[in-house]
Amino acid sequence: QKEVEQNSGPLSVPEGAIASLNCTYSDRGSQSFFWYRQYSGKSPELIMFIYSNGDKEDGRFTAQLNKASQYVSLLIRDSQPSDSATYLCAVKEGAQKLVFGQGTRLTINP
Amino acid sequence: EPEVTQTPSHQVTQMGQEVILRCVPISNHLYFYWYRQILGQKVEFLVSFYNNEISEKSEIFDDQFSVERPDGSNFTLKIRSTKLEDSAMYFCASMGLRNYGYTFGSGTRLTVV
Repeated sequence: QKEVEQNSGPLSVPEGAIASLNCTYSDRGSQSFFWYRQYSGKSPELIMFIYSNGDKEDGRFTAQLNKASQYVSLLIRDSQPSDSATYLCAVKEGAQKLVFGQGTRLTINP
Repeated sequence: EPEVTQTPSHQVTQMGQEVILRCVPISNHLYFYWYRQILGQKVEFLVSFYNNEISEKSEIFDDQFSVERPDGSNFTLKIRSTKLEDSAMYFCASMGLRNYGYTFGSGTRLTVV
């Protein structure tokens, strides 16, 4: 199975700062990448998806993809305490299956 | 916003018993999935289901597991003879034609004792 690696954290960021979450993947042929947010005891919630190299912005969130380096990241601007959660990187394998990373636990400090 | 609904939210069962986890996917979605997450571990793929048949399954999804879409709305996961190591959160997910990522249900916490 293809691997998706994330730093498990915890990553601690002051409120209002930029949180940067990183993910690497093993399959050079991967085409579709997803970021999910998971609050403790809850289900994953889709934040963003990205298919093309470069940046994709949605509100305070920016996903960045570099296929040559097999690297995808998520930036959260103006971090809020409500952003404290575990962020899961997922890569599509084959037609439909998602392979998830371990997740990075993010804490935003007021 | 449309939701994926899972029941029950928590199920406790004795080892060796059969359990059925239930899901109602989003109504116009065509692809259905079961994933599980053991406490503190990754979300793991179990099975995908499309056009009334399994399209892919993982090594975890052995003969003890089965899925059904009995009536066009419900999507069930059955574990025939539960083991202690089956204790996990089980998430159902569905996806529409646009393939923009899954919507997950709220999960069923299965505890095998």
